[in-house]
Amino acid sequence: GQNIDQPTEMTATEGAIVQINCTYQTSGFNGLFWYQQHAGEAPTFLSYNVLDGLEEKGRFSSFLSRSKGYSYLLLKELQMKDSASYLCAVRDTRVSNYQLIWGAGTKLIIKP
Amino acid sequence: ETGVTQTPRHLVMGMTNKKSLKCEQHLGHNAMYWYKQSAKKPLELMFVYNFKEQTENNSVPSRFSPECPNSSHLFLHLHTLQPEDSALYLCASSQEGPLADTEAFFGQGTRLTVV
Repeated sequence: GQNIDQPTEMTATEGAIVQINCTYQTSGFNGLFWYQQHAGEAPTFLSYNVLDGLEEKGRFSSFLSRSKGYSYLLLKELQMKDSASYLCAVRDTRVSNYQLIWGAGTKLIIKP
Repeated sequence: ETGVTQTPRHLVMGMTNKKSLKCEQHLGHNAMYWYKQSAKKPLELMFVYNFKEQTENNSVPSRFSPECPNSSHLFLHLHTLQPEDSALYLCASSQEGPLADTEAFFGQGTRLTVV
């Protein structure tokens, strides 16, 4: 079956670095997405990985290892506005061309 | 104007009411989606429309009825809902195809409370 696991909640300090992990089990992997969702708002796209390695985009980076079924989102120089939920999602073409398999999200709390 | 807009933002309805959620996308995408988001649960895909044709229906109860009159508009008609249907309902759109790697864009969602 398909399964996405990520921690429920994490806490970090302003200015620090935090890594949010995501592990997945799918039969037809075709890309992994990270989204940010502030409370009461729409999820917004952060990153997309389909090949192994690190994708860097400003303070945010995302890493993928397809052989391990593993990804992480790295947030540097944390700011209070980074307090949000971070959603990991995998496209599995064996399930459907349209369906992303979603994790339950990691709530990130930033403390001063 | 935002890419994907949803109305209303908040909705309280009784179990005997009939209401509709509306979604509009201005991105020229060919696929639109309805998702249900409950607290501490993964996003649940409800329906997918591609080129106005429904391509996915993930065992959603018949009290939820989607409608896609054109590629830019999507509705979710609600009737005789249950309290457990209370959730955030998100609309999304994307450009799909054989080499699709583009992300989905989400609307702000409708916070639905069934009383």
